[in-house]
Amino acid sequence: QMQESGPGLVKPSETLSLTCTVSGGSINSKSYYCGWIRQPPGKGLEWIGSIYYSGRSYYNPSLKSRLTTFVDTSKNQFSLKLSSVTAADTAVYYCARLWDPQGWFDPWGQGTLVTVSS
Amino acid sequence: QSALTQPASVSGSPGQSITISCTGTSSDVGSYNLVSWYQQHPGKAPKLMIYEGSKRPSGVSNRFSGSKSGNTASLTISGLQADDEADYSCCSYARSSTWVFGGGTKLTVL
Repeated sequence: QMQESGPGLVKPSETLSLTCTVSGGSINSKSYYCGWIRQPPGKGLEWIGSIYYSGRSYYNPSLKSRLTTFVDTSKNQFSLKLSSVTAADTAVYYCARLWDPQGWFDPWGQGTLVTVSS
Repeated sequence: QSALTQPASVSGSPGQSITISCTGTSSDVGSYNLVSWYQQHPGKAPKLMIYEGSKRPSGVSNRFSGSKSGNTASLTISGLQADDEADYSCCSYARSSTWVFGGGTKLTVL
């Protein structure tokens, strides 16, 4: 299972930090990959990035300059940092297991709403 | 990287069949058999319904099926049921290890 955690409110221009904790299996595996996806209120899903167990990451080109991801195998966690946030970054943020380096997302965490506001 | 194109809404009566299209380009849908479909009820997380274009995960009803022709993938739901009313989104692997989602389609069961 996947569980997102992070602050519900972030101020404009600050950095948004989120963690995805994985339970029911170790991420220290050559087959473990994680995806981050977000959904602004009332809008569609947007792929943010994908992180492999090794730490290798791939990012949405539109977010790449502001995005950093980490893997902590000791805590079974994937983490994401998005800098210089604006109101446009307000969204529900999901993490999901990515099957196969080019595959599909399943299961998804319940999501966490992050609001960017002063 | 542009979003895949889906109709904003579709509707059907119980027992009928509906199809949701998902149009991409030769850089994503057209180049890979890696389209997945997700069902999302209001306030809930997305749920995988189809992967690799036409495969169903364990536990997903065989009323859901997927296909692809050229740059367009499709999700068909047969024997519509009230609980099928939800948002459906497609997703495709694209070049350079990126993924792209569709804008989502709201399915209304009349």
